[in-house]
Amino acid sequence: EAGVAQSPRYKIIEKRQSVAFWCNPISGHATLYWYQQILGQGPKLLIQFQNNGVVDDSQLPKDRFSAERLKGVDSTLKIQPAKLEDSAVYLCASSRTGFETQYFGPGTRLLVL
Amino acid sequence: GQQLNQSPQSMFIQEGEDVSMNCTSSSIFNTWLWYKQDPGEGPVLLIALYKAGELTSNGRLTAQFGITRKDSFLNISASIPSDVGIYFCAGLLEGSNYKLTFGKGTLLTVNP
Repeated sequence: EAGVAQSPRYKIIEKRQSVAFWCNPISGHATLYWYQQILGQGPKLLIQFQNNGVVDDSQLPKDRFSAERLKGVDSTLKIQPAKLEDSAVYLCASSRTGFETQYFGPGTRLLVL
Repeated sequence: GQQLNQSPQSMFIQEGEDVSMNCTSSSIFNTWLWYKQDPGEGPVLLIALYKAGELTSNGRLTAQFGITRKDSFLNISASIPSDVGIYFCAGLLEGSNYKLTFGKGTLLTVNP
């Protein structure tokens, strides 16, 4: 079974630029999560989708972050405009349902200069 | 947000030694998970615990769900160099929609 795919793996941008990350979950997984992992910290949930609906986005900085999962499969996370403090690893995870084990992708490492 | 206190922050051990790390919280969790994250990769689930007092093993790894439901520990026996990485505990608060709260991680270094 293929794992969670993410791209790009690395991205370097300047502050105030925009950036987008893509995630393709494990086939058949209805629930998709985006996490932010700052260096030295554990992952922090940004947004959770159940199929193409948002379940929890309480920790998503909505003034600059947006995410969508239009067809209930793959998802994109966008930052516009980026700030220095957005430098982090952005992890995507998926689970079969919202109550089962989450499987993580390799992450996208973002550096904002 | 809810905090999980994970300790120690880092460990440096010799190959063959046993290691123990733990996670505590002021809140009650109904699931405890232990993940390992290798450099440049996402976390990988090692052990899941679902009941207070539960003791579960996965090879050289053993984890327990504390009786108070506010803590958990992970033991690694006879460490080997490939055990190097960051170990995270994660908890699921009762009633949350599988919203995991992660600890800050324990960085394990194994000296061959």
